[in-house]
Amino acid sequence: GAGVSQSPSNKVTEKGKDVELRCDPISGHTALYWYRQSLGQGLEFLIYFQGNSAPDKSGLPSDRFSAERTGGSVSTLTIQRTQQEDSAVYLCASSLEQFPDTQYFGPGTRLTVL
Amino acid sequence: DQQVKQNSPSLSVQEGRISILNCDYTNSMFDYFLWYKKYPAEGPTFLISISSIKDKNEDGRFTVFLNKSAKHLSLHIVPSQPGDSAVYFCAAYQGAQKLVFGQGTRLTINP
Repeated sequence: GAGVSQSPSNKVTEKGKDVELRCDPISGHTALYWYRQSLGQGLEFLIYFQGNSAPDKSGLPSDRFSAERTGGSVSTLTIQRTQQEDSAVYLCASSLEQFPDTQYFGPGTRLTVL
Repeated sequence: DQQVKQNSPSLSVQEGRISILNCDYTNSMFDYFLWYKKYPAEGPTFLISISSIKDKNEDGRFTVFLNKSAKHLSLHIVPSQPGDSAVYFCAAYQGAQKLVFGQGTRLTINP
């Protein structure tokens, strides 16, 4: 079956603009995660969804970041008033169940803020 | 505060030899660990995992060792193959949902 897909694969935007990143998890996976990887860094947890609810938003860097998930499937990560430090690869992962199930990652969206 | 650390940013190994990638962690509450492999422009791919109730888990050419007292785990790849060239991330579950990742080690297998 299809893996986790993300769109767009690349996004270049100007500082101050809003961006929306999309994640389509593996069909049937109830858990969905967002991470980001800044240049030269490991992956940093942003937010986790179980179904449509987000029990853990602890990793969101600021209130400019928000995410939602609808229908227990597609998720959107929105960054408002983007800043240059938001430039990173944003990765989405999904898993069938919660811990300790394996998280399967999408290819990521490379965001560049000029 | 880096709770999962991969202190070697890169490692070069000859084809056919053993590759050993190391990972240290600071949080004694971590009880489930995973290794992911990442090729350029792709998302990380799950490789192998280990629960803290074990000290070794093996899957084909890949073996993960866990030393809880030292808060250290390692991934052994033998024999190493050119297709193993990638960035390897060590990760630990914090709580029931969040994976905490190390910075990654770039492994290069030389023919």
